[in-house]
Amino acid sequence: AQSVTQPDIHITVSEGASLELRCNYSYGATPYLFWYVQSPGQGLQLLLKYFSGDTLVQGIKGFEAEFKRSQSSFNLRKPSVHWSDAAEYFCAVGARNDYKLSFGAGTTVTVRA
Amino acid sequence: DTGVSQDPRHKITKRGQNVTFRCDPISEHNRLYWYRQTLGQGPEFLTYFQNEAQLEKSRLLSDRFSAERPKGSFSTLEIQRTEQGDSAMYLCASRERGNSYEQYFGPGTRLTVT
Repeated sequence: AQSVTQPDIHITVSEGASLELRCNYSYGATPYLFWYVQSPGQGLQLLLKYFSGDTLVQGIKGFEAEFKRSQSSFNLRKPSVHWSDAAEYFCAVGARNDYKLSFGAGTTVTVRA
Repeated sequence: DTGVSQDPRHKITKRGQNVTFRCDPISEHNRLYWYRQTLGQGPEFLTYFQNEAQLEKSRLLSDRFSAERPKGSFSTLEIQRTEQGDSAMYLCASRERGNSYEQYFGPGTRLTVT
């Protein structure tokens, strides 16, 4: 079965600074990988996804993520953070022969002025 | 495209009562999922429908939980004899037919059992 680890529970970053959120997955084959964002009390919004092909994927809101098979990682990055990026971010993995997503525990991002 | 909708958004109930939640997926999405999210955790899979067929149930889904999708459109999730441990956010997601693996989530139903 697949699993996801997000090593950082909480990250604080200054507005305008760069952001990187770590995600490591465990799965025997090439996974489907996703990043979702959740604002307080809300559902999850899809930021970006990786299925195959180019390992650097672009998403909404200026986010990008890079799939590194050798490191079993799919880290999320943003060059310049805005105050509205304060939220909880979840990495998820899906399997090609399965239906469900497995989520990490999430990373809470706080943006300071 | 109106997105996935869930009703109610919040539910407070007393222990031992039954509750039912509704999910309306994105139209023409034939796949529907229920997840549960507790505080400080990521969503955990509960069950999955393809059209009206319930194809998978997690071991998290005890006998007190039942889900239906009678006509392959909206879905309901019922919890009988609620317990305080059932307090969580219940999320619904839908996915279109074909090889797209993207799941689109609704706003969730926050259940509080007192």
